This record gives sequence, C-alpha cells and structure tokens, in this order.
Amino acid sequence: SQQGEEDPQALSIQEGENATMNCSYKTSINNLQWYRQNSGRGLVHLILIRSNEREKHSGRLRVTLDTSKKSSSLLITASRAADTASYFCAGAGSYQLTFGKGTKLSVIP
Amino acid sequence: EAGVTQSPTHLIKTRGQQATLRCSPISGHTSVYWYQQALGLGLQFLLWYDEGEERNRGNFPPRFSGRQFPNYSSELNVNALELEDSALYLCASSYAYGYTFGSGTRLTVV
Repeated sequence: SQQGEEDPQALSIQEGENATMNCSYKTSINNLQWYRQNSGRGLVHLILIRSNEREKHSGRLRVTLDTSKKSSSLLITASRAADTASYFCAGAGSYQLTFGKGTKLSVIP
Repeated sequence: EAGVTQSPTHLIKTRGQQATLRCSPISGHTSVYWYQQALGLGLQFLLWYDEGEERNRGNFPPRFSGRQFPNYSSELNVNALELEDSALYLCASSYAYGYTFGSGTRLTVV
C-alpha cells in the first residue's frame, strides 16, 4: 500500500523558478525521505528529515515536515532543466520505506 | 565504492515462465530491499532481507520469492509470470537511514 499522496502529480515550470511539491503520509514515521528518479531508472536519495525536525536544507533543496498534519514539502529553488525528473517522498517506519506515487517535474529551459 | 548493482538490465519473458533478478548491495550493507514499480502504481514494497533472513514481505503472492546469500547479494524469483508482472524492479541496500538504489531490472512479460 502507498504511504500517501504527492501533490501535484505533475508540475511544469520555467527554468529559474522555484518548484514546490507536497506529500502527505498515513502512518507514524521515524523519518521522511525524498528521492528523485530520472526516466524510470534508479532512485537517488536527496534528503532525509527526522520526525523531530521541522525543516532541513541541502543546497537548493528545502524540506519541511509537519508531523501533526502528517505532511511534508520539498522546495527546489532556482530550478534547472536538469532537475526534470520524478520526485518521491517515502516514510520510514519500523521495517521499510513506503513511497508515495510521486510528482513529475518538468523544467522548461 | 561501487553502488548497488542489478542484473540483468532488461529481461523479456513469456507468460508462465520464471524470472530471476539479481542484486549486489554496497559493500558492508547487510539489508537488501526489493520494490516493484509498475506503470501508474508507484513503488510497491516486495521483500526485505537482512543477514540472510527474510524480515518482511509486501502484499504480493507467494510466486514472488527470493533469498539473500552469505555475501549479502540477493535474488528475486518470480514464478508463473503474468502479464501484469511487467514492471521495473528496483533493489536497494541501506545504511542507517538512507537507501541506495540500483538502476533496476525492467521485466517485460509477453
């Protein structure tokens, strides 16, 4: 079963703009992770935020976590064409990661 | 350091046949996870192996099975293939919290 839903399912922006993706999850988690997937290949780990953290930054990435609302957001600032990919959130429970369905981001040069 | 390697990259099988997919984790990682990514269904958890034992299993029929070898590499076997088994199968190994994924095996059942 899926952990939750990403919103929006697809997002198209111009290069240089910011991209915001949201994720909701259903069960309690130890941490929430964001991954990126290019063209249906392997996933690349982007960032992890622990359940006791509210915000985390890594380069052009900013992640927030609201455990009371069971939601997270990923912000990519100053987007580039190379950021075009699918982005997945994944909740880490006791045993394994449970993924959402992903947001497909298209960055237009 | 080598990443997670999966083989083969592509696999075409006929309905009813068996498929074997292989995964080598990053050196030192003892846990291996298998996920299925079918079109439009997102990533579905299949199996988790750690220290040679199956630790958890997703909601898949018994014809999906696997094993982990003493060197922590893993095999995923899918018996009696059905058309809906066509998907990208991803393997991941874990260190502490983050997962490292392989590039996947794309299985096509015809």
